[in-house]
Amino acid sequence: EPEVTQTPSHQVTQMGQEVILRCVPISNHLYFYWYRQILGQKVEFLVSFYNNEISEKSEIFDDQFSVERPDGSNFTLKIRSTKLEDSAMYFCASSERGNNEQFFGPGTRLTVL
Amino acid sequence: QKEVEQNSGPLSVPEGAIASLNCTYSDRGSQSFFWYRQYSGKSPELIMFIYSNGDKEDGRFTAQLNKASQYVSLLIRDSQPSDSATYLCAVNRGGGFKTIFGAGTRLFVKA
Repeated sequence: EPEVTQTPSHQVTQMGQEVILRCVPISNHLYFYWYRQILGQKVEFLVSFYNNEISEKSEIFDDQFSVERPDGSNFTLKIRSTKLEDSAMYFCASSERGNNEQFFGPGTRLTVL
Repeated sequence: QKEVEQNSGPLSVPEGAIASLNCTYSDRGSQSFFWYRQYSGKSPELIMFIYSNGDKEDGRFTAQLNKASQYVSLLIRDSQPSDSATYLCAVNRGGGFKTIFGAGTRLFVKA
């Protein structure tokens, strides 16, 4: 069964450093998403991406964040200058169509020291 | 008012019973509704989706949607201890495809 994959599973970084989180969506899906979940809190929408551009972003997704689909398979989330409060699980998801069910990857745990 | 609201629980039911999970949402333009299950330390796993008013059944799971009341529910029949998890209600309003999650209801199924 096709699945969303994410790397790395755990990333530790120093405050102020740049990180890139990687995702490989399900191959025939056209819509891609990033979410985050701070420990003990709810899953929060960050951004949706379709046809090589951002469809919608939340207020969390400020200028420190960017997304890219550098090739036909990868979808990345970059955080330019990490803050302590960026520590969270980051989930990538994909869907066949925009309103359809989204399938989540296993997540990357980001720890900012 | 929270965009997607769920009772945080915990909801405790005996094995074999029906578990009933509820969710309300604030945006009347919402179009797609999802239930995810999340085990501790894991990612959300899709278990049901519903787009139209009424009931939708899949195995032991039934999702119910009432757009007029802005209410969606999940029934789990013959609950098993392996169903113990946090159940997340998620709502997609279309447009830019932003999906809003509720905080989740913790379910415990006692053997």
